[in-house]
Amino acid sequence: QKEVEQDPGPLSVPEGAIVSLNCTYSNSAFQYFMWYRQYSRKGPELLMYTYSSGNKEDGRFTAQVDKSSKYISLFIRDSQPSDSATYLCAMSPRPGGGADGLTFGKGTHLIIQP
Amino acid sequence: DTGVSQDPRHKITKRGQNVTFRCDPISEHNRLYWYRQTLGQGPEFLTYFQNEAQLEKSRLLSDRFSAERPKGSFSTLEIQRTEQGDSAMYLCASSSAGGVEQYFGPGTRLTVT
Repeated sequence: QKEVEQDPGPLSVPEGAIVSLNCTYSNSAFQYFMWYRQYSRKGPELLMYTYSSGNKEDGRFTAQVDKSSKYISLFIRDSQPSDSATYLCAMSPRPGGGADGLTFGKGTHLIIQP
Repeated sequence: DTGVSQDPRHKITKRGQNVTFRCDPISEHNRLYWYRQTLGQGPEFLTYFQNEAQLEKSRLLSDRFSAERPKGSFSTLEIQRTEQGDSAMYLCASSSAGGVEQYFGPGTRLTVT
């Protein structure tokens, strides 16, 4: 079992829908949780991060962490075709990754249909 | 602040050749990471520098791989005697001391023929 599990998709939804992306993890030492967006053949772009359990909102994006269930989510409201990309979850026991770097999921390929 | 830059963006090489990639982190960031990403997978950690010191190396980094960060500024990743299995996107990221966020460069796509 990998440390971080993420459904690779593809996930296809109509424009304007609410999108829910999820990851589960097994390492209880993870404290920092990040979501990255990656367009084809580009580097990952940081969307947002959360520390420990709780919610964080930034515009149309909301990140949730449930450490008791080892489950994290990213919600995208009012989805746009420009949101079509691969979304990667990443996590670490230390801020910035520390000596072990970040541990990533496989990424979910999201398609927003106009 | 121009972000993390990497050079070249794409490298095609024949099996057995040596290749070297360069990463320029965000100027005030003292932490630098290298990752490898293959198709359909998330990035996998390779190695970590704090200033000029290489503090951690993944088991993925075989003896054919070497990384340096002279003077704690830019970094290079060299792959000797390339193999077809080395074909991947090589990503560099940087972060500030104590900062949570890692910022990634655009990557170098390596194709070994």
